[in-house]
Amino acid sequence: AQSVTQLDSQVPVFEEAPVELRCNYSSSVSVYLFWYVQYPNQGLQLLLKYLSGSTLVKGINGFEAEFNKSQTSFHLRKPSVHISDTAEYFCAVSDPYRDDKIIFGKGTRLHILP
Amino acid sequence: NAGVTQTPKFQVLKTGQSMTLQCAQDMNHEYMSWYRQDPGMGLRLIHYSVGAGITDQGEVPNGYNVSRSTTEDFPLRLLSAAPSQTSVYFCASSTDRASSKNIQYFGAGTRLSVL
Repeated sequence: AQSVTQLDSQVPVFEEAPVELRCNYSSSVSVYLFWYVQYPNQGLQLLLKYLSGSTLVKGINGFEAEFNKSQTSFHLRKPSVHISDTAEYFCAVSDPYRDDKIIFGKGTRLHILP
Repeated sequence: NAGVTQTPKFQVLKTGQSMTLQCAQDMNHEYMSWYRQDPGMGLRLIHYSVGAGITDQGEVPNGYNVSRSTTEDFPLRLLSAAPSQTSVYFCASSTDRASSKNIQYFGAGTRLSVL
């Protein structure tokens, strides 16, 4: 079964500094990978997704992620964070050959420091 | 186009009470699912449905029932509430299959407290 690990439960970073949120998934022949963001008191919304093709995926709000098959990672990055990026970020994985579910990581809370 | 609508937003129950969390979507999505979110646990899948009349269990189905009589609605029933079911519940929908290229759209959540 697929699984996903987010190594950091919380990440503090100063405003305008770069950030990387780490995500590793269990190895499989093929995967679909996702990053979702949850702003305070809201539901989740999709930031970006990797299905196939280019390993560098660009999403909304200046975020990007790189799919690394050899390291089974899909880390999320942003070159300069803003206070409005304060949120919880979830990495998720699914199996393209099964039509049942997406597996979510436990989340990383991003704290932006002034 | 309202997206995914969950009601109620907040609910307090006593142990042993039953209730139904409502979820409706107006995007004609085939796939719908229920998650619970607990601190440090991420989102855990309770039940899902790939179309009207079809439901299946997720990771944590015990204590919950679902049905899917229409494409639009996917209610989650708590049969006899327990304090362990205190959580935030999210409903999500996507166009046909969760593991395909389709995006999941989430409702705003229902915060449930069981005393």
